Amino acid sequence: QKEVEQNSGPLSVPEGAIASLNCTYSDRVSQSFFWYRQYSGKSPELIMSIYSNGDKEDGRFTAQLNKASQYVSLLIRDSQPSDSATYLCAVRGRGTGGFKTIFGAGTRLFVKA
Amino acid sequence: DVKVTQSSRYLVKRTGEKVFLECVQDMDHENMFWYRQDPGLGLRLIYFSYDVKMKEKGDIPEGYSVSREKKERFSLILESASTNQTSMYLCASSLKGASYGYTFGSGTRLTVV
Repeated sequence: QKEVEQNSGPLSVPEGAIASLNCTYSDRVSQSFFWYRQYSGKSPELIMSIYSNGDKEDGRFTAQLNKASQYVSLLIRDSQPSDSATYLCAVRGRGTGGFKTIFGAGTRLFVKA
Repeated sequence: DVKVTQSSRYLVKRTGEKVFLECVQDMDHENMFWYRQDPGLGLRLIYFSYDVKMKEKGDIPEGYSVSREKKERFSLILESASTNQTSMYLCASSLKGASYGYTFGSGTRLTVV
């Protein structure tokens, strides 16, 4: 079992719709959860972080965390073509040197105009 | 604007050459990381450092070494480049502590011929 799992996609949504990206993780003592956006040919960019169960909203983005189910998700409201990218889920938990981050393989999102 | 700067965007090297990839951050971050990213394999951690002169092996350290003589600089060294080291190399940095995400450099696409 992979430590952080994401559906590779592609996930295709029409412009203006809600895109829902999901991630599961295996380490129960994980502490911090992150979403990165990576445009084609570019490096990952941090867009959201969440540490407690529940929802965290930032503009059009909402991160949701359920530690009991070991599940984290990212909702993108009013999706725009500029949101088309690969979204990486990252989980930070146990590990040497100030906690190790495990990245999922990413979900490709296409927003159709 | 805070930055992680990687010295080269594209590099082409010959098999057997010693290759140096440089990374400099201006955010006074304690932690620095080297990843490689390959299609279908996601981000894989090569080495990381949580303090000057400290280094820890990641998941795929074979064939690589690192140096961190100053807090702001973290170098990745390919001792004898091989074709299977052709990849996108990403440097990242973060503050110490589990609640902090990473800032990535723009990446170096290395081709070994």
